[in-house]
Amino acid sequence: QVQLQESGPGLVKPSETLSLTCTVSGGSISGSSYYWGWIRQPPGKGLEWIGSRYYSGTTYYSPSLKSRVTISVDTSKNQFSLKLSSVTAADTAVYYCVRENYGDNVFWFDPWGQGTLVTVSS
Amino acid sequence: SSELTQDPTVSVALGQTVRITCQGDSLRNYYASWYQQKPGQAPVVVIYGKNNRPSGIPDRFSGSSSGNTASLTITGAQAEDEADFYCNSRDSSGDHVVFGGGTKLTVL
Repeated sequence: QVQLQESGPGLVKPSETLSLTCTVSGGSISGSSYYWGWIRQPPGKGLEWIGSRYYSGTTYYSPSLKSRVTISVDTSKNQFSLKLSSVTAADTAVYYCVRENYGDNVFWFDPWGQGTLVTVSS
Repeated sequence: SSELTQDPTVSVALGQTVRITCQGDSLRNYYASWYQQKPGQAPVVVIYGKNNRPSGIPDRFSGSSSGNTASLTITGAQAEDEADFYCNSRDSSGDHVVFGGGTKLTVL
């Protein structure tokens, strides 16, 4: 079955850009009916959707993060990536990559990567 | 603030039935999905859509919806069901994704 694995720095300095990559195994990132996205969870808090992208380009982002977020897809490597610019301590969180599935009037996130903690600190 | 509202904490006696709810205007137009998250683990989807259970999810988990409220029901709660549960759906515009604030389920 499809598995997702996040990778990237665990420590980012304030004002810099957070960059994470998600490697997809067991299936193609170019498959139809799927978007690929990122969700984060600050320590001890709830889940926050960051954004999602279809492999061919359609992208949608959380309104609260839209000005700082870019999600891209590399079909040749079967990977997708997150860039979040101008980070502050409030961006410290566990970041999950996810596959977004679609049905009739419903969508759901499955599977999830194991998550990676990114700390913003100087 | 989230556009989906959940009770922060819910408790249930072992073996009894518990309902966890999620309220929001967008639920009148979109189904919710439900996720279980145990400490230190990634969330796992337990219910999506009208009442769909992914393979491997016990049949004691079920979902329903009425008006602006979606519900996750656990019939015969087990100790291993103790976890945080999150609902998610579209926001009121239909263009973005929102999560509820989460419900911490305690099995007594």
